[in-house]
Amino acid sequence: NAGVMQNPRHLVRRRGQEARLRCSPMKGHSHVYWYRQLPEEGLKFMVYLQKENIIDESGMPKERFSAEFPKEGPSILRIQQVVRGDSAAYFCASSPPAQGGNEQFFGPGTRLTVL
Amino acid sequence: SQQGEEDPQALSIQEGENATMNCSYKTSINNLQWYRQNSGRGLVHLILIRSNEREKHSGRLRVTLDTSKKSSSLLITASRAADTASYFCAGNAGNMLTFGGGTRLMVKP
Repeated sequence: NAGVMQNPRHLVRRRGQEARLRCSPMKGHSHVYWYRQLPEEGLKFMVYLQKENIIDESGMPKERFSAEFPKEGPSILRIQQVVRGDSAAYFCASSPPAQGGNEQFFGPGTRLTVL
Repeated sequence: SQQGEEDPQALSIQEGENATMNCSYKTSINNLQWYRQNSGRGLVHLILIRSNEREKHSGRLRVTLDTSKKSSSLLITASRAADTASYFCAGNAGNMLTFGGGTRLMVKP
């Protein structure tokens, strides 16, 4: 049973370009979470999705950031018109259908560098 | 805002010694989870303790939870150089995890 998969592992973009980060949850998991980690800091929650639904996006910046989890395929975190401050590690986690809060299994992360 | 605040921020010990890390949180939680992160890597789940539990063990790990004080501790006994990593507590008050800033543990051989 493969773990949570994220790709790419490293992504370099120039200011103004778009970044697309992909996450495939563990088999049998229908809940996906995205977190951002700045250097020397803990992870900050961004968004929680179930298939075809955004459940909680309270941690998402209001502009340029969007996320989806389609019926088929991986979850996508999309950052438009990237700026240097978007440079961070972005982690995806998944969990089985929630029963009052379960363990979340994390992927290896995508390290985004904006030049 | 951060749910958890780890203390100390950095800890350096000799191999074989015990390491204790503390975490305080702000709001009510369903459970509290501890994760480990090696430099530049993803997070590895260590242990989950539910709000109605006071203590939990897993191998060399011992976690306590005091909901009246909104605090938790992680004890690693007989530390090894391979335990060198950052350790994060995360409160779960629904479906999201809210992480603290982490404790950077260095175990010297």
